[in-house]
Amino acid sequence: DTGVSQNPRHKITKRGQNVTFRCDPISEHNRLYWYRQTLGQGPEFLTYFQNEAQLEKSRLLSDRFSAERPKGSFSTLEIQRTEQGDSAMYLCASSPGQGARSYEQYFGPGTRLTVT
Amino acid sequence: KQEVTQIPAALSVPEGENLVLNCSFTDSAIYNLQWFRQDPGKGLTSLLLIQSSQREQTSGRLNASLDKSSGRSTLYIAASQPGDSATYLCAVSWVGSEKLVFGKGTKLTVNP
Repeated sequence: DTGVSQNPRHKITKRGQNVTFRCDPISEHNRLYWYRQTLGQGPEFLTYFQNEAQLEKSRLLSDRFSAERPKGSFSTLEIQRTEQGDSAMYLCASSPGQGARSYEQYFGPGTRLTVT
Repeated sequence: KQEVTQIPAALSVPEGENLVLNCSFTDSAIYNLQWFRQDPGKGLTSLLLIQSSQREQTSGRLNASLDKSSGRSTLYIAASQPGDSATYLCAVSWVGSEKLVFGKGTKLTVNP
């Protein structure tokens, strides 16, 4: 049973560039979540998917951010025209969506983004 | 506004001590509450999940309790070890949304 995986683990980019992160959830988990965490803070919710449908988005998800889960398996999070304030750890989680512990979320190792 | 607060922000204890971490939340209409552990620069490891109908959950040396009416949860760690040193995060989901709202965490240091 492999856990949630995220790639890349680290990304350094210049302000104004676009970046894309990938998340592979635990197999057969139909829920997938994206969070962002800055230093000294708890993670903040960005968006989540049930299968390929994006069901909820945070106000934090500005129009520069877009997330997809095209076939209900892996997901991508794209940030366009990056700003220094986008520097953070981007965390992905998945949950089974069914069963007794249907909404227990399992997190990946995160992608650390540094915008210079 | 639905918020989660964790006290204390940091805690330092000698090895072997029993300790309690506190979590409080606004709005008692929760769906579930999860406790996580986070090591520096790493992702989150789920420790315990308490569903709204439950009062406590136990895993090894860890015991988490939930009191919805007072908006509180505690994480009890028995016989602490240096390997328990990490940041512990409490997160709540409320009825109507699957997102987790996190506290800022308690940074625990267990000294040998």
